[in-house]
Amino acid sequence: QLQLQGSGPGLVKPSETLSLTCTVSGGSIRSGPYYWAWIRQSPGKGLEWIGNVFDSGSTYYNPSLKSRVTISIDTSKNQFSLKLSSVTAADTAVYYCVRETWIQLWGYFDPWGQGTLVTVSS
Amino acid sequence: SYELTQPPSVSVSPGQTASITCSGEKLRNKYASWYQQKPGQSPVLVIYQDNRRPSGIPERFSGSNSENTATLTISGTQSMDEADYYCQAWDNSRVFGGGTKLTVL
Repeated sequence: QLQLQGSGPGLVKPSETLSLTCTVSGGSIRSGPYYWAWIRQSPGKGLEWIGNVFDSGSTYYNPSLKSRVTISIDTSKNQFSLKLSSVTAADTAVYYCVRETWIQLWGYFDPWGQGTLVTVSS
Repeated sequence: SYELTQPPSVSVSPGQTASITCSGEKLRNKYASWYQQKPGQSPVLVIYQDNRRPSGIPERFSGSNSENTATLTISGTQSMDEADYYCQAWDNSRVFGGGTKLTVL
């Protein structure tokens, strides 16, 4: 059974860079047709797709975050990572790493990792 | 940018049918997915491709998509179904609805 486990600092200072890593177990990150995605949820709010990466390294980002986001993949470690620069309090959220099954012009997210709470505060 | 609109809350009595809607322009031309999220837990996929259930999801969960509205239907609602539900579709980006809190009372 595929499992995703996110990890990284739970506290980041304003203006710094948030960095998270997701380790995939129970399957290869190279198997397709999957993208590997990051989705966040601010406290008490809804879900926001941040972006994703394919095993080739190609990426797609939410236009509203594109200027600050970098998602990368390390197939040798079965991991993918998120970097979000110049963070503010508005970036405080639970960050989920998720597998996205992508079929031409549609897809769905399953399974989801356990979520990592990241607080932006000095 | 594309938007998906859900009612903030829906209430249902145990054993009855709950319907949660998700509205978006020409949503019928896109495939909708639905996610269940219980407090303190990660979301779980309950419907994809408008009306397909992943393995392990009870048959009481079903979906439909017509014109501008996708609907998640829970037949014979149980107390364990009380949760937040989010719809999702693709339109140049992955878009989520704002979520609906389902209360079973």
